[in-house]
Amino acid sequence: EVQLLESGGGLVQPGGSLRLSCAASGFTFNNYAMSWVRQAPGKGLEWVSFISGSGRPTYYADSVKGRFTLSRDNSKKTLYLQMNSLRAEDTAVYYCAKGWEEMATISRVFDIWGQGTMVTVFS
Amino acid sequence: SYVLTQPPSVSVAPGETARITCGGNNIGSKSVHWYQQKPGQAPVLVIYYDSDRPSGIPERFSGSNSGNTATLTISRVEAGDEAGYYCQVWEDRSSDLWVFGGGTKLTVL
Repeated sequence: EVQLLESGGGLVQPGGSLRLSCAASGFTFNNYAMSWVRQAPGKGLEWVSFISGSGRPTYYADSVKGRFTLSRDNSKKTLYLQMNSLRAEDTAVYYCAKGWEEMATISRVFDIWGQGTMVTVFS
Repeated sequence: SYVLTQPPSVSVAPGETARITCGGNNIGSKSVHWYQQKPGQAPVLVIYYDSDRPSGIPERFSGSNSGNTATLTISRVEAGDEAGYYCQVWEDRSSDLWVFGGGTKLTVL
């Protein structure tokens, strides 16, 4: 069974940092691009970042560019999102999502989502 | 950046047909994907590449895309279909490459 399990969320003050992890199982991890998508409380879905199966390229939403860094360790089947200079508007549930297309540099659709991890930035 | 517009809410009686629209400039030239999200749960892909259904999604779910509007159609609506629905496209001319609509809350009366 394909599964994604996020961890690392929590409470942090503005300007602080957090690192989210997403552990994958049930598929050949390095063959698939991955993304993070977030959802602020009571709001819609917002794409955050993308990484190809090989680790390059990576892409970021304008709202997080320069503050967030996405990486992956294919040997550990794990995705990481390093979040620095956090702001109140970064408060959200963060989902990792698997790209549908195998061996594709760009994956246009997300077919499997984790259950999410909550990040709260408060002062 | 590219904008996708969805109605905030749609209501339908059980057994009827629900149609949820997703508007965007020349969206018919793009591939549209749809996700269902129930309260407290992660999104689930229900339609991809305009009209394909992942395995396990009932045939009652279908999609179409033309001109400036994509549509998710749910036939013979059931109480369990009550959820939020989001459309999504990949837009390589946008600074944010993966774009979601604002979401539509489907209420089953």
